[in-house]
Amino acid sequence: AQTVTQSQPEMSVQEAETVTLSCTYDTSESDYYLFWYKQPPSRQMILVIRQEAYKQQNATENRFSVNFQKAAKSFSLKISDSQLGDAAMYFCAYRSANQGGSEKLVFGKGTKLTVNP
Amino acid sequence: KAGVTQTPRYLIKTRGQQVTLSCSPISGHRSVSWYQQTPGQGLQFLFEYFSETQRNKGNFPGRFSGRQFSNSRSEMNVSTLELGDSALYLCASSTDRGSYGYTFGSGTRLTVV
Repeated sequence: AQTVTQSQPEMSVQEAETVTLSCTYDTSESDYYLFWYKQPPSRQMILVIRQEAYKQQNATENRFSVNFQKAAKSFSLKISDSQLGDAAMYFCAYRSANQGGSEKLVFGKGTKLTVNP
Repeated sequence: KAGVTQTPRYLIKTRGQQVTLSCSPISGHRSVSWYQQTPGQGLQFLFEYFSETQRNKGNFPGRFSGRQFSNSRSEMNVSTLELGDSALYLCASSTDRGSYGYTFGSGTRLTVV
């Protein structure tokens, strides 16, 4: 079974600074998807960024980028120019891409990000 | 375009009762998944429905069940509620097999007393 580990329960960053959230995962599959979701106090999970395992190029979405290291099974999220609205719980998630494989998302425990003004 | 709508937002039930939660996916999305979120266990997969068929089921007791209707709306039911069922229940929908990510609703906060 796949597992996702987020080793930082809490992180803080100064507004306008850069922060990196860590995520490692364990799988025997070669084809999969990785996601970062943000959950603000409103409770709704918001997709931040998505990475396909077969693509070597790291995904970027505006101020958000990932460092995907497939061999190391590492998938960290970098937030540049942090804003107060970035404060939230961040979840790393894994999903198999194999036909017949599980289509569920496997989540890490989350990292609570605080942005200080 | 309307997002994923979950009703009700909050619910308080007594042990032993049953509860039904509703989820309306984004128009055109045929896959609906349910997750339970608790402080102790985090986010755990309950089940997924696609075109009215359950495609996948998590490791939850048979008290947890669900269904999907022809318009893709989904309901989940929990019978004989236990205190440990208190959680945030999140619904997510997608267009395909979820490879492009899922859109989540704001959840239903269930409290069992």
